[in-house]
Amino acid sequence: SSELTQDPAVSVALGQTVRITCQGDNLVTSYVSWYHQKPGQAPILVIYGKNIRPSGIPDRFSGSSSGNTASLTITGAQAEDEADYYCNSRDRSGNLLLFGGGTKLTVL
Amino acid sequence: QVRLVQSGAEVKKPGASVKVSCKASGYTFTTYYIHWVRQAPGQGLEWMGTIHPSGDSTTYAQNFQGRVTLTRDTSTSTAYMELSSLRSGDTAIYYCARDWELGHWGQGTLVTVSS
Repeated sequence: SSELTQDPAVSVALGQTVRITCQGDNLVTSYVSWYHQKPGQAPILVIYGKNIRPSGIPDRFSGSSSGNTASLTITGAQAEDEADYYCNSRDRSGNLLLFGGGTKLTVL
Repeated sequence: QVRLVQSGAEVKKPGASVKVSCKASGYTFTTYYIHWVRQAPGQGLEWMGTIHPSGDSTTYAQNFQGRVTLTRDTSTSTAYMELSSLRSGDTAIYYCARDWELGHWGQGTLVTVSS
């Protein structure tokens, strides 16, 4: 199996744009899903597949990928976006799921 | 609407087993994989394994091989996760989630392992 690497913490000024990244060798061939999680709550899917937002997720959330790095971009970050963000993807075999270690986003 | 409702909190002693349930509603249970993910206090998400309810096929993360068993009851649309030989490091919130995108999550079940 392989690993997914995320920066532990990122900050952004209110209303600005922030990118949260996820690196892994398997990302060259696998889609990444992104989740946010607030304290005491279950994670919520915000992006999956080729930049698909589930119903109810604001369009300020977008996903992209280049080589072995996937990114979640929040364009015009809001106070309610402050949360932990996790990426995941299938491993090379397609049979296992891998999670990144998570990124704590602070909105200043 | 899709709902995954999990069983309540558990307190177990080291060496014991725990079985957590996840009751699905709002969709055809046998259509989508159910995954299990855990989160230790203050830590990140850890994938444990998955089961496809239609054929009962399972895949487990290497870290849990031999200790976790995933099952399902199609008559009640319920998935189960049983973890054996519990130790203090297994204290965590255990979540079930639907399909490979994990688009729908249960509310989580706190399992505390303490002597």
